[in-house]
Amino acid sequence: DAGVIQSPRHEVTEMGQEVTLRCKPISGHNSLFWYRQTMMRGLELLIYFNNNVPIDDSGMPEDRFSAKMPNASFSTLKIQPSEPRDSAVYFCAIHGLRTRGTGELFFGEGSRLTVL
Amino acid sequence: GNSVTQMEGPVTLSEEAFLTINCTYTATGYPSLFWYVQYPGEGLQLLLKATKADDKGSNKGFEATYRKETTSFHLEKGSVQVSDSAVYFCALSTQGAQKLVFGQGTRLTINP
Repeated sequence: DAGVIQSPRHEVTEMGQEVTLRCKPISGHNSLFWYRQTMMRGLELLIYFNNNVPIDDSGMPEDRFSAKMPNASFSTLKIQPSEPRDSAVYFCAIHGLRTRGTGELFFGEGSRLTVL
Repeated sequence: GNSVTQMEGPVTLSEEAFLTINCTYTATGYPSLFWYVQYPGEGLQLLLKATKADDKGSNKGFEATYRKETTSFHLEKGSVQVSDSAVYFCALSTQGAQKLVFGQGTRLTINP
């Protein structure tokens, strides 16, 4: 089955610290997406990659956020420096090879970030 | 631009009640429509989808019909269970576009 593994599942840090969230697809894919979920703003697309290349990063809130995909098996989302308003659940998702073009995404379980 | 509007929650029902969660959309072209479900502590997972007008998506007793004339994709279930308690997201994807546009989500709680 298509899917992703995210780590850490929970992160508590202090304002100003660097945060790195990780995503590891466990199946073939063409595209990888980073979403942020908050009570106030719902589910927001931050950035997505096609074949490891960033295609649309218009949802990245500011320069403190950066994302990389060095290879097809790994992606990171980094926040430096972190702020309390970055507290959210961050999801990674992929299009499976067989579901590309259908709109179906496979989500990880998310990384819950709390910035104090 | 493309957008999705869902009925605001939270929604609380008793077990075996009838469920409707409204969803309307605005899109250019001919979108595909989706309902995703998020159980507590988990990521989103696809519940059902419809790719063209008048299609009906169904899964786990849930149904939704793609209504182009009313630009709607309302989610229904005839008899809900406690295990259906979750957050439900309506979403669309336009032809050729890879991005999903999500509604704000509707939290559903089913009491025994």
